[in-house]
Amino acid sequence: EAGVAQSPRYKIIEKRQSVAFWCNPISGHATLYWYQQILGQGPKLLIQFQNNGVVDDSQLPKDRFSAERLKGVDSTLKIQPAKLEDSAVYLCASSARMDWKTGELFFGEGSRLTVL
Amino acid sequence: ILNVEQSPQSLHVQEGDSTNFTCSFPSSNFYALHWYRWETAKSPEALFVMTLNGDEKKKGRISATLNTKEGYSYLYIKGSQPEDSATYLCAEYSGGGADGLTFGKGTHLIIQP
Repeated sequence: EAGVAQSPRYKIIEKRQSVAFWCNPISGHATLYWYQQILGQGPKLLIQFQNNGVVDDSQLPKDRFSAERLKGVDSTLKIQPAKLEDSAVYLCASSARMDWKTGELFFGEGSRLTVL
Repeated sequence: ILNVEQSPQSLHVQEGDSTNFTCSFPSSNFYALHWYRWETAKSPEALFVMTLNGDEKKKGRISATLNTKEGYSYLYIKGSQPEDSATYLCAEYSGGGADGLTFGKGTHLIIQP
């Protein structure tokens, strides 16, 4: 079974530029998450999708971040314009169980963003 | 406790020794507690998902316990091996607030040969 795929693995941009990250979850997984992990901190949930609907985006900085999950499969996370404090690892995860609170998350390897 | 807290932040252990570390979480509205292992340059991998007070789970040399009344979980590693070197993350789902997992900052474990 293929795992969660993310790209790019690494990205370096200057502040005020834009960037997009892509995620392909495990086939059949209805729930998809984007987490932001800043160095020295634990991963923080940015957005959670159930199929192609948003379940929770309360911690997504909507003035600069956007995410979509078209057709309930792949997802993209965009940052425009980027700030220095957006430097982080962006983790995508998916879960198979409908009761997502007790289902383990399957993570991708992450996309490491450096904003200069 | 308002947040998920893990201690210690980092830990150096001799190969062959056993070790343990702690995850503390808000005990009100508890729903589930997750443990993940994150090796450098790899993806975080689930170790355990625990929901019941008094739960104990084991996978090989790694085990975990859960106390939901006092809000803590312990992770134990018996006979540490170099491949155990990783960051161990715990995360809690609560019944109220946002639906996502709330993660701790992790315990960074280094096994010294």
